[in-house]
Amino acid sequence: QSALTQPASVSGSPGQSITISCTGTSSDIGVYNYVSWYQQHPGKAPKLMIYDVTNRPSGVSNRFSGSKSGTTASLTISGLRAEDEADYYCNSYTSSDTLIFGGGTKLTVL
Amino acid sequence: QLQLQESGPGLVKPSETLSLTCIVSGGSISSSDYYWGWVRQPPGKGLEWMGDISYGGRTNYKPSLRSRITISEDTSKSQLSLKLSSVTAADTAVYYCAKGDSGGLARGIFAWGQGISVTVSS
Repeated sequence: QSALTQPASVSGSPGQSITISCTGTSSDIGVYNYVSWYQQHPGKAPKLMIYDVTNRPSGVSNRFSGSKSGTTASLTISGLRAEDEADYYCNSYTSSDTLIFGGGTKLTVL
Repeated sequence: QLQLQESGPGLVKPSETLSLTCIVSGGSISSSDYYWGWVRQPPGKGLEWMGDISYGGRTNYKPSLRSRITISEDTSKSQLSLKLSSVTAADTAVYYCAKGDSGGLARGIFAWGQGISVTVSS
């Protein structure tokens, strides 16, 4: 099964908003509300930012929000800050009872 | 607060079995509130879900790894283990221990170990 499709890179200036897309199929994102997003800084373990498409774990800033439409999920970061610069990965449950990640998106804060 | 810590050899020879352990502290590995699993990341590449184990020992593996992977738990030691047989250079990666809630890792991986780098080389 192929990875979910994410843009390789996105960028934005401090204070701006950016959105990272994650495209799947009718066998994963399209049928399940089990989409999660992870932030990973270089050399560090990933950190959960969004689960169940739209929910934020305790302690995650409300500048991070998630959504889904059809087979595409999105992560939006508002009020961009320098510390948001990192790699971001989406993940979805699939109809094969497996989990699949996106290829990752490198966010650059200009 | 629940913490995960991976351990194991950093170098494994081709065709041998990679064996890693994840020590869970601050919570019970045998709790029905949690799922456990392994995620790996080859150098410079993205994340890959390898498999997970639920309360009662039910396992679920990535199909392409199913013939080589075993995930198990030792509740007496509060440890999770990963065994991957017949390794090749393609198995070189940072391996992460992962925790989900009672709904499974599918809902989200709420806790991660710090990761352990494993190189497959003779």
